[in-house]
Amino acid sequence: DIQMTQSPSSLSASVGDRVTITCRASQSISSYLNWYQQKPGKAPKLLIYAASSLQSGVPSRFSGSGSGTDFTLTISSLQPEDFATYYCQQSYSTPSITFGQGTRLEIK
Amino acid sequence: EVQLVESGGGLVKPGGSLRLSCAASGFTFSSYSMNWVRQAPGKGLEWVSSISSSSSYIYYADSVKGRFTISRDNAKNSLYLQMNSLRAEDTAVYYCARDPGNYGWFDPWGQGTLVTVSS
Repeated sequence: DIQMTQSPSSLSASVGDRVTITCRASQSISSYLNWYQQKPGKAPKLLIYAASSLQSGVPSRFSGSGSGTDFTLTISSLQPEDFATYYCQQSYSTPSITFGQGTRLEIK
Repeated sequence: EVQLVESGGGLVKPGGSLRLSCAASGFTFSSYSMNWVRQAPGKGLEWVSSISSSSSYIYYADSVKGRFTISRDNAKNSLYLQMNSLRAEDTAVYYCARDPGNYGWFDPWGQGTLVTVSS
């Protein structure tokens, strides 16, 4: 199985900050990398697919980049509603899909 | 509005069985692959199983292979997960999720249904 490792596992930031979350794959996955946001008690929500494509309806302050083994999710200016847990997910080895362990973004 | 609504979760003893359902609406259900993804309490996400639009292709995670069975009824716009020989480690919120185009990403997700395996 392809292992996905996110860093950091948790992060404290303030409204207005620029935040970057990193995801590393255990082998090259080209651009088969997706990002989700999950708020407490809610289902995950797709933010970014294919490494850098913004899902419809997702604010433009979210962006994704990377290819191969290293990927980043960037939030350009944190808003109060962005405090949540973020997961990366590889779809290179579909159907054996794997997720990162999550990054919890908290208010400083 | 595209919507997925899971049901069927609950408390079951180890070794027991449970059948989850996912009712789909707002889209042509028969055109999409569907998936089950679970999340143990306080833990991350784990893909469980997927089924193609016509049920021709079915896949399972190794952790549930031989115990869980995914199925769908396109006439009823419904997805199912039959879970047998349940273990404590199967305790989780189970989400159904649509694959928009056999791309391997999931959108949308249902709200989830909690399965608790405990004596």
